[in-house]
Amino acid sequence: AQSVTQPDIHITVSEGASLELRCNYSYGATPYLFWYVQSPGQGLQLLLKYFSGDTLVQGIKGFEAEFKRSQSSFNLRKPSVHWSDAAEYFCAGGGNTGKLIFGQGTTLQVKP
Amino acid sequence: DAGVIQSPRHEVTEMGQEVTLRCKPISGHDYLFWYRQTMMRGLELLIYFNNNVPIDDSGMPEDRFSAKMPNASFSTLKIQPSEPRDSAVYFCASSFASDTQYFGPGTRLTVL
Repeated sequence: AQSVTQPDIHITVSEGASLELRCNYSYGATPYLFWYVQSPGQGLQLLLKYFSGDTLVQGIKGFEAEFKRSQSSFNLRKPSVHWSDAAEYFCAGGGNTGKLIFGQGTTLQVKP
Repeated sequence: DAGVIQSPRHEVTEMGQEVTLRCKPISGHDYLFWYRQTMMRGLELLIYFNNNVPIDDSGMPEDRFSAKMPNASFSTLKIQPSEPRDSAVYFCASSFASDTQYFGPGTRLTVL
């Protein structure tokens, strides 16, 4: 069955530190992959997406993600976290059906 | 573009009442999705439409829930009768083909 897994439910990092949020997928073929961010009381906002081509994808707010087929992973990274990055992050996978499968989400807390 | 528009933003009702949530997708998008988000169950896909036709309603909890899309610019999600366990944030999202889903701000439903 198709699935997207975010192993970390909650992560705390210090402001200015680097960040990596993990995402693993299980699909028959290479899925379309997305990272979304949700601030409290808000809807989900797209950070970046991967469809094909270059496996290192740049997104908004200084985020990037790398698609690694051998590891079935699409981890999100940021070199230096800001307090405003505190939010919930969702990884999602999809295909030609248009439907997305979302991970459980990772809540990021940023310490001053 | 105004993005995905949802109304109302907040709804408080009493158990047994009918609730109707509304969504206006982004113009030109051919997919529309309804999600429910709770602390316990995370983000759940309830139903989605392609070109106004329901494609997959397997996520609809039970017969009390129904969704319609009478035209390309409007969809409703109805709960009748509502129950306290229906309290959640309901999101509408739209996309073009299998590309990025754009989310609305959500409707926070409280059933007393």
